[in-house]
Amino acid sequence: DAGVIQSPRHEVTEMGQEVTLRCKPISGHNSLFWYRQTMMRGLELLIYFNNNVPIDDSGMPEDRFSAKMPNASFSTLKIQPSEPRDSAVYFCASTITGANTGELFFGEGSRLTVL
Amino acid sequence: SQQGEEDPQALSIQEGENATMNCSYKTSINNLQWYRQNSGRGLVHLILIRSNEREKHSGRLRVTLDTSKKSSSLLITASRAADTASYFCATDAGGSRLTFGEGTQLTVNP
Repeated sequence: DAGVIQSPRHEVTEMGQEVTLRCKPISGHNSLFWYRQTMMRGLELLIYFNNNVPIDDSGMPEDRFSAKMPNASFSTLKIQPSEPRDSAVYFCASTITGANTGELFFGEGSRLTVL
Repeated sequence: SQQGEEDPQALSIQEGENATMNCSYKTSINNLQWYRQNSGRGLVHLILIRSNEREKHSGRLRVTLDTSKKSSSLLITASRAADTASYFCATDAGGSRLTFGEGTQLTVNP
């Protein structure tokens, strides 16, 4: 079975450019999470969708960040315009909310470098 | 702020030794989970312990939970070089929203 699929795995861009990160959750999962990982701040929850609806976006740093989930099999995280401090590894994770296990399944991450 | 705080931040041991990592948290939880992350990879779930459980085992892993002290520990017995990774605790206060600690970097020397 395919796990959570993220693309691109690596992206290098210049300050001011738009960045779009993509995620395909595991089929049948009804919750999707975007996390950001940096050395300074660790793993931070950015936004959480349940049944394609954004439930909590309080972790989104500022208006430059936006996330969408147009259907159960696809989500995007967009940064416009990007800044050097956005450099991080962005992870997407999915799960079945209410399942007995409660574990999150993570993708391999998208490493973003903003020059 | 991070809900969980791991201790130690880094741990270096010899193959065959046991490794113990600790996690403290601040608020009430439904469950606490431990994850592993190999360098450059995503996080992988290891074990979950519910708030009404005190100890749980899975293979070479043993997790304890003390809700009165708001702390948990992860023990890896008979460590192997392949156990080298970062280990994170994560607390679930409801709705599957996990808050992760800062992690313990474990190095197992062959």
